[in-house]
Parts: sequence; C-alpha cells; structure tokens
Amino acid sequence: DTEVTQTPKHLVMGMTNKKSLKCEQHMGHRAMYWYKQKAKKPPELMFVYSYEKLSINESVPSRFSPECPNSSLLNLHLHALQPEDSALYLCASSQGLAGGANTEAFFGQGTRLTVV
Amino acid sequence: GESVGLHLPTLSVQEGDNSIINCAYSNSASDYFIWYKQESGKGPQFIIDIRSNMDKRQGQRVTVLLNKTVKHLSLQIAATQPGDSAVYFCAETYGGYQKVTFGTGTKLQVIP
Repeated sequence: DTEVTQTPKHLVMGMTNKKSLKCEQHMGHRAMYWYKQKAKKPPELMFVYSYEKLSINESVPSRFSPECPNSSLLNLHLHALQPEDSALYLCASSQGLAGGANTEAFFGQGTRLTVV
Repeated sequence: GESVGLHLPTLSVQEGDNSIINCAYSNSASDYFIWYKQESGKGPQFIIDIRSNMDKRQGQRVTVLLNKTVKHLSLQIAATQPGDSAVYFCAETYGGYQKVTFGTGTKLQVIP
C-alpha cells in the first residue's frame, strides 16, 4: 500500500463554518505534511509532523489547526476561513528518519476547498 | 524540446521526441532533489530523485542531471508520450531537514 488517502475530495464551507480535512497513510511513515496549493502555483508547505509531534509550522494563521492523533492519521481543522484560503490542500508522508537522509514524500490527491 | 525553466513555463513537444525540463534551485546547501509530476486534479507524483553526491541518475525513460556549480537541475524524458503531459516540479531540501521547497513548475504538453 503506497497510498495517502485524503477526505473529503471536495469541500465548500462558509466563513463561519468549522470543518476538518483528514489524511491517512499505512506505509509506516513517521513524517506527515500539509501543503497548500493555489492554481498554477507550486505546493507551499504549511506544517510538518515528525513522530507525531509538530516540527514545522510555516507561520500559518491560527484559523488552520493541525492535529496528528497517531502515526497514520493527520487532520487539518479549519475555522473562520477567508475566501482567499480556497485552494487544493495536499497531505503527504515520508519515512522521516530522524537525523537520516531524506526520502521522497508521497502525496494524496488533495482536498479541493472552496470558502464562500 | 528544451525549456528554460522559470522563463518558459510551458514546453510543447512532439510525441516520440525527447523532453528536457530545467530547474534553477535556490539553496546552495540543498543536498536532496526530487522531480514530481502533477496531472490535472491530482496530487504530485514522485518521478525520480538525486542526492548531491551524484550528478546523474537514470530511471525508466527519465534521467535527472544535477549541476551544483550553477545550481541547476534538469529532467530528461525519452520518447515523450501523451501520458507525460502534466506539470513538472523540481523540489529541494537539505541536511535531512523535512522542509521541501518546490520550484515554480513547467507544464509539458505532448503533441500527438
């Protein structure tokens, strides 16, 4: 199983709503990532979890709140978003060997989020 | 066909020709580089990687070349097929650090 599964595939939410994006992998990877991708732009890193602990927060606004309940799951809680937050949100995972060489990240298909 | 990376975001090639996609990376300390392919509506898909102690690596129909002197990376696709049509991103990271920085991307269009 080399899949990273994201749900939902599409999400439309109002600016006062609270919603969550979910990500799951069963490759035994210990690093998991959230990226945001706007149309015709490269993915931009938001958060990195390493061994279930938040290791990188790229100065993301607090209306985005990540959570890593266990080594296979990663959530992104959304609250009071703005229309400019509309984007493709990608989850990825990699082996994440502490202090070791990097390996490639495997990406999910993303959640297409529209904030109205 | 050959792209010039940031200044030519779209590369059109005839089916069966070879494609060369270029990338200028930003951090001289980067020691691990990856090429990803992203098809419309999908997440990035790993193609090939290379570490800074190498200057060339080959996969199936793809070759990555690394020139650390000028901080340049290229992806060569042999006998380009319609299924190769996608946006290609180079990505860099360093020192085992998990922050991966993506380049701006090049759209490859294969003309049947």
